[in-house]
Order: sequence, then C-alpha cells, then structure tokens
Amino acid sequence: QVQLVESGGGVVQPGGSLRLSCAASGFTFSSYGMHWVRQGPGKGLEWVAFIRFDGSNSYYAGSVKGRFTISRDNSKNTLYLQMNSLRPEDTAVYYCAKVAHLLEFDYWGQGTLVTVSS
Amino acid sequence: DVVMTQTPLSSPVTLGQPASISCRSSQSLVHSDGNTYLSWLQQRPGQPPRLLIYKISNRFSGVPDRFSGSGAGTDFTLKISRVEAEDVGVYYCTQGTQFPVTFGQGTRLEIK
Repeated sequence: QVQLVESGGGVVQPGGSLRLSCAASGFTFSSYGMHWVRQGPGKGLEWVAFIRFDGSNSYYAGSVKGRFTISRDNSKNTLYLQMNSLRPEDTAVYYCAKVAHLLEFDYWGQGTLVTVSS
Repeated sequence: DVVMTQTPLSSPVTLGQPASISCRSSQSLVHSDGNTYLSWLQQRPGQPPRLLIYKISNRFSGVPDRFSGSGAGTDFTLKISRVEAEDVGVYYCTQGTQFPVTFGQGTRLEIK
C-alpha cells in the first residue's frame, strides 16, 4: 500500500533553516508528481510547492518562493523540502502528498511539525 | 489565484440525516484537457487529510458510497446521504486545475 512518511521537523529560530524529507513506498515514485502542503496551528490547508515526476520543473506558493526549495531523489524514493530564512508564520504541520491526476492529491503523509520560534 | 469559497463553514447534523457542503470557485476549473480537477478532502480530528472525491464526482478507493460529489464549472457540492459518527471533521474542497493549488476554508461537520 502507498506510504508517505515525513521527517525532519523540529524547532528552529527565525532566520534558520530546516530540511524536510518524505520517504515514499508502495508505488512507482519516479512516475508521479509530488506536493508539499502545510497547515498552521488551528488553520486550514495551504499549498507550498510541487515538483514534477522527473524533477524537471517545480512550482511554489508566493509566500515561500525564494526561501523554500523542493527536490526529489528518485533513486531513494524520497522527496525533500529545503526551508531557509524561516519565519514564525512558517510554523505548521508539513505534509507531503502524492499526485493522482494533473495536480490533484490522492495519498497524504502523517505530517511533520515545524515550529519557528526564538 | 483561484479563490475557493465553501459554505457553510460549520454544519451541525443529526446522525442518520443528510449533509451538504457547497464550494464555489472564482473562475472555471475546466482544464484545457476537458477535465475538471475539483476534489474533496476529509480531515478527521488529529489526522492528515484524506481524499474522498476527485474530478468532481469520482469516489476514491475505500470511500463509502454515502459520499457523493456533483457540480460543474464553478459550483460544486459534496453530499453525505446519512451522516455517521465517523464523519465528524473538517471538509475541504481543492482545485488542481492550475497553479497555485488552492483550498476552500474548510467546513466543520459536527453532530448535533
């Protein structure tokens, strides 16, 4: 069965960096685009970034563009999110999600919590 | 950006009764390939989101048939024919037709 397991969350000071990982299994990872989506405390869902199946193109929300970088290693079945210049408003649970059709999500991971605080 | 507007934001429902959530997009979600990439997600308390419905009306694997989706263009609806206790949570519509991917604000379904 499809499994997505995020890791790498934690507490970081404003201006700091963090790299999230999402380990995928149960499907042919190299054939599917992938998203990162976040959810602030008590808030709704916010799309963060998308990367094509082969890593050839990536897209970002305006709120993270220039600070976050999505990447993937298809040989390791792993998705990444490099987060730099972190701000308190980046505090959220970060989910990775697999693409079903075009940009639609199907499977989601359990999420990893990132807290940006001094 | 496509703005997704859900109504109501909160829906108290009696067990066994139907429930309905509306979602309106600020522009058409019909893609150039002819498909409409509007889906519905369920988020139970303390859980990650889970896909219920994709491309307006297709139930995802394992989703009970009491859930159904309908609509076209800019107006969409999620219906639950008979609400069960396990349906409590927040429901989101989301569009995957164009960047940036956007979500509705969420509708909280609770039992009366």
